[in-house]
Amino acid sequence: EVQLVESGGGIVQPGGSLRLSCVVSETTFRSYWMHWVRQAPGKGLVWVSRISDDGSTITYADSVEGRFTISRDNAKNTLYLQMNSLKDEDTAIYYCARDLVFCGISCSNYMDVWGKGTTVTVSS
Amino acid sequence: IQLTQSPSSLSASVGDRVTITCRASQGISSYLAWYQQKPGKAPKLLIYAASTLHSGVPSRFSGSGSGTDFTLTISGLQPEDFATYYCHQRNSYPLTFGGGTKVEI
Repeated sequence: EVQLVESGGGIVQPGGSLRLSCVVSETTFRSYWMHWVRQAPGKGLVWVSRISDDGSTITYADSVEGRFTISRDNAKNTLYLQMNSLKDEDTAIYYCARDLVFCGISCSNYMDVWGKGTTVTVSS
Repeated sequence: IQLTQSPSSLSASVGDRVTITCRASQGISSYLAWYQQKPGKAPKLLIYAASTLHSGVPSRFSGSGSGTDFTLTISGLQPEDFATYYCHQRNSYPLTFGGGTKVEI
């Protein structure tokens, strides 16, 4: 079964930067679209960003647009999230998730496998 | 698209039938998933396309609905089902999740 392992979290001051990584255990990584989703302490899930299998299509939530950059290295089976100009409200657990097509009544992509998350704390 | 879940929390007993609702601020056809999250763990996909059970998920879980109104039902609550449940729309970006429903003993 595919595994996703995030790393790179830590404590950073407001205005600082961090780069998160998500290593995927299968070389089929190159065929998946991927997402980052975050969860502030005691709060719900919030979608952050997505990237297509070849990196050509990228989308961000408004709250991180212009500050965060998602990327991937298919040769290394790794997804990244570069986070700049961090704010207190970016404090959260950051999860990476695989996106696959599933068909029921209709066909669409859904996040089916998630990593365990890495914790980012923005505080002075 | 905003997703509004109700209730935000509920108390139930083992064996109970539990129903959680999710209302979308605009029509999303059947592009809805349900996730279960236990404390300190990553979310787990339960249902996709509004009503299709993900592989390995017990049949006591079921989903229904389309358009703007959706329901997750747990028929015969088990001890391992005490968790927080989130609905999630895949109709359009930005992707959104409901606020969550915590199912407590």
